[in-house]
Amino acid sequence: GQNIDQPTEMTATEGAIVQINCTYQTSGFNGLFWYQQHAGEAPTFLSYNVLDGLEEKGRFSSFLSRSKGYSYLLLKELQMKDSASYLCAPMDSNYQLIWGAGTKLIIKP
Amino acid sequence: GAVVSQHPSRVICKSGTSVKIECRSLDFQATTMFWYRQFPKQSLMLMATSNEGSKATYEQGVEKDKFLINHASLTLSTLTVTSAHPEDSSFYICSATLHPGQTKTSTDTQYFGPGTRLTVL
Repeated sequence: GQNIDQPTEMTATEGAIVQINCTYQTSGFNGLFWYQQHAGEAPTFLSYNVLDGLEEKGRFSSFLSRSKGYSYLLLKELQMKDSASYLCAPMDSNYQLIWGAGTKLIIKP
Repeated sequence: GAVVSQHPSRVICKSGTSVKIECRSLDFQATTMFWYRQFPKQSLMLMATSNEGSKATYEQGVEKDKFLINHASLTLSTLTVTSAHPEDSSFYICSATLHPGQTKTSTDTQYFGPGTRLTVL
C-alpha cells in the first residue's frame, strides 16, 4: 500500500530551527512535494524534490533520499506566521499526489 | 504567477439544492485540474481529476452523478454538488497544474485555489 508517516504535531520557539521528517511508501515515485496549510485555508506550494539532496529556498529547505523513502523540511528563523500544518506529498507512478494528515507546527514566542 | 481562484469562497444552502463551484487559473493555462474535499483535521481527499475537453476521472467511492465536473477550457473547471445534503458539508478545494513548458520546476506542481466552504442545512 501507499502511506506517509509524519509527526502529528511539533512545537518550536520563534527564531529557532525545526526539522519536520517524512517517510513514505509509494507505488513508483515521481518526486515529493511539501505544502503549507494554515487552518481553514487551502495548501500553498513550498517545495519540490525529485533528485536526492537538499533544495534551499529562503528560510525553507527540503531534503530527499529516494533510497530511504525519506524527506525532511527544514524551517529556519521561525516566525509566528509559520504556525501551520506542513504536508508531505509524494507523487506515485500515476503522477498522483499521496496525502497524509500533515504535521501541525506550533510556534511559541 | 500560478494563481488559482475559486468562487464562491463560502456558501450556505438548503438540503436538496445544487451548488456550483468555479475554479479558475488566472495567469496560466492548466493542463489538469483536481478537486479535493477536506473534513476538519483530516487529510485532503482527492475526488476527481479533470483534463480540458474530456470527462473527469473520479476516485473510488465518489459518485459522478452527484459531483458533476465540467472542464470547459484550459482556465476553468466547475464542480456542481447536486441535491446537496448535510453530509456534503465540507471544504472543497481545487488545484491546477501548469501546461507543459510553462514552468521551470515541475509541470506536476499543483497550485491550489483558496477553497470553498460548503454548509448544507
